[in-house]
Amino acid sequence: EAGVTQSPTHLIKTRGQQATLRCSPISGHTSVYWYQQALGLGLQFLLWYDEGEERNRGNFPPRFSGRQFPNYSSELNVNALELEDSALYLCASSLLMGGATKKQFFGPGTRLTVL
Amino acid sequence: GENVEQHPSTLSVQEGDSAVIKCTYSDSASNYFPWYKQELGKRPQLIIDIRSNVGEKKDQRIAVTLNKTAKHFSLHITETQPEDSAVYFCAASDNSGSSTLTFGKGTMLLVS
Repeated sequence: EAGVTQSPTHLIKTRGQQATLRCSPISGHTSVYWYQQALGLGLQFLLWYDEGEERNRGNFPPRFSGRQFPNYSSELNVNALELEDSALYLCASSLLMGGATKKQFFGPGTRLTVL
Repeated sequence: GENVEQHPSTLSVQEGDSAVIKCTYSDSASNYFPWYKQELGKRPQLIIDIRSNVGEKKDQRIAVTLNKTAKHFSLHITETQPEDSAVYFCAASDNSGSSTLTFGKGTMLLVS
């Protein structure tokens, strides 16, 4: 069974540009989560998508947005890039069933560098 | 919202010794507590998790304990090996249906 995949592996942008990051969940998983992992800050929750809808977002400005496609893959878009957006962006997927929180499995991440 | 504190930030042990990493959480509604291991340059891997209806869970050399009253949970690794060297993250999630995890800042475990 293939795990969560992300592309690209690395992305270099300049301040003010836009970045698009992509994630494919484990087959059969309907939920996708995005996290930012900046140095020394652990993993910060960004966005949660399930069944094509945004279900929750973390404490990040609106220039962080995304979407989930009918095949459950997802995009994270970051507009008007700032230097402090440089981080590892991790995607995770889970199968949402019932009310109990389900295990999340992570992809390898996209390293975004803003110059 | 939920806040998770994790200690220590760095832990050095000798091979064969035990290691303990502790986390506290603030939201009494939290009921799911996973632990992830992240080796350098790799993705976080789920190594064990516990739900609030149990106080302890073991998987070979790894165990997690949960004290709901005190709102803290701990990861215990026995007979540590060099391959246990990694950053370990604790996390907490509530049962509101959000399924989002709040993570601690991580513990770098060094086994030499």
